[in-house]
Amino acid sequence: QLLVQESGPGLVKPSETLSLTCTVSGGSIISSSYYWGWIRQPPGKGLEWIGSVYYSGSTSYYNPSLKSRVTISVDTSKNQFSLRLSSVTAADTAVYYCARPVGTSSFSFFDAWGQGTLVTVSS
Amino acid sequence: DIQMTQSPSTLSASVGDRVTITCRASQSLTGWLAWYQLKPGKAPKLLIYKASSLESGVPSRFSGSGSGTEFTLTISSLQPDDFATYYCQQYSGYPTFGGGTQVEIK
Repeated sequence: QLLVQESGPGLVKPSETLSLTCTVSGGSIISSSYYWGWIRQPPGKGLEWIGSVYYSGSTSYYNPSLKSRVTISVDTSKNQFSLRLSSVTAADTAVYYCARPVGTSSFSFFDAWGQGTLVTVSS
Repeated sequence: DIQMTQSPSTLSASVGDRVTITCRASQSLTGWLAWYQLKPGKAPKLLIYKASSLESGVPSRFSGSGSGTEFTLTISSLQPDDFATYYCQQYSGYPTFGGGTQVEIK
């Protein structure tokens, strides 16, 4: 059974860069999916897709509202993919999920999710 | 971007009730719609994809229907484990989610 798990700091200072890693287990990041993605949920609010990356790291798609601040990358040697969000503010406080999109399309639904990790932006 | 409007935002129901949640899109999705169940501290669970396809392992009391811009998730007989928050998601364009429906105990 394929599992994904988020890890990273739970507290980030305003204006700094948020960095999270998603570790894939139970399968290879190269062969288990064409894309890998990140989604977030601010406290008391709904879900927001952040972006998705091709398994090789060659192509990424980002939410237009976050595009200028987001980078998603892949480390196939570690079976991991990562999220970097720069210049964070309190509005970036959220539970961050990594997930596996289904199929070959750049935009899809997600069939495997991590449990999520809360990142708080505060000084 | 495609806006998703979900209703109701909160629903009070009893075990055994039939529950229906609606999701409306700002433009036609051609069926590219999924439903998820979220519980605090747990990984979100995919229930339905392509509007009406049941994900493997999901109980048959869950069903999805609709096309174009209007979609529904139905739970035919609500069980104790079903009290949770439900979200729709479109993937016709870059993914966007509905605002969520919290199903609570009446």
